[in-house]
Amino acid sequence: NAGVMQNPRHLVRRRGQEARLRCSPMKGHSHVYWYRQLPEEGLKFMVYLQKENIIDESGMPKERFSAEFPKEGPSILRIQQVVRGDSAAYFCASSPGEADTQYFGPGTRLTVL
Amino acid sequence: GQSLEQPSEVTAVEGAIVQINCTYQTSGFYGLSWYQQHDGGAPTFLSYNALDGLEETGRFSSFLSRSDSYGYLLLQELQMKDSASYFCALQGNSGYALNFGKGTSLLVTP
Repeated sequence: NAGVMQNPRHLVRRRGQEARLRCSPMKGHSHVYWYRQLPEEGLKFMVYLQKENIIDESGMPKERFSAEFPKEGPSILRIQQVVRGDSAAYFCASSPGEADTQYFGPGTRLTVL
Repeated sequence: GQSLEQPSEVTAVEGAIVQINCTYQTSGFYGLSWYQQHDGGAPTFLSYNALDGLEETGRFSSFLSRSDSYGYLLLQELQMKDSASYFCALQGNSGYALNFGKGTSLLVTP
C-alpha cells in the first residue's frame, strides 16, 4: 500500500510566479491536511479537506493561497504571486476518517528566489 | 487557542532510556500524538494517547495526564538511528487539525 505521495519534491519559483503542490493520499483515505514547516520550527496547520469540500481553512493565509481536493485526482495547494516568505516545506497528510491518525507525505520544498 | 512546550534539545547515550516531555494549554482536545522527523523528512507517526495512561509500542511508549496537562514520549534501548526531531501534537476536537509543538532534537551518542 503506497504511502502519501507529494510532487514535486522540490520546487523553485521566482517572486510573483505561481506554485502548485500536489498530494495523493494513501489508498482508502478521503481526508487530506496541509501543513507548512519553516526551518527549525514545528508544522503549522493550513487546511483540511475532504473530497470536493474544504472542512477547515483556519490556518490558511487569506490571500494568495487556495486548496482543493477534487472528486478525481490529487489535492492541490496553490500559491499565487509567491513571495520569499513562502519558502518552506509543505507537507500533506491523509487519514481514513476524521480524528484518525494522520500519515504524512515526504513534503515539497518550495524555494522562492 | 492551544500551546505546547517541549525541550528544544536532548542528548542521550546509545542503549539508554530518554523521556521527552510535553506540556500544553488547551480548552479541549481529542488526543496527543507523537511524531518523529529525520532531517526535515516526512514526519512519522509514533504513538497516540486519547485517554490518560501509558501506551506502549515496541521501544516507544507515550503517556498522557489530562489533569496535569502533560504528556511524554519514552524511548528505550536508544539506537543511533533514533537521533531525530520529535514532535508532540494535539488533535483538536473541532476540525481535527494537529497543533504541533516546536519539536525536540534528540542526539544519541555512542
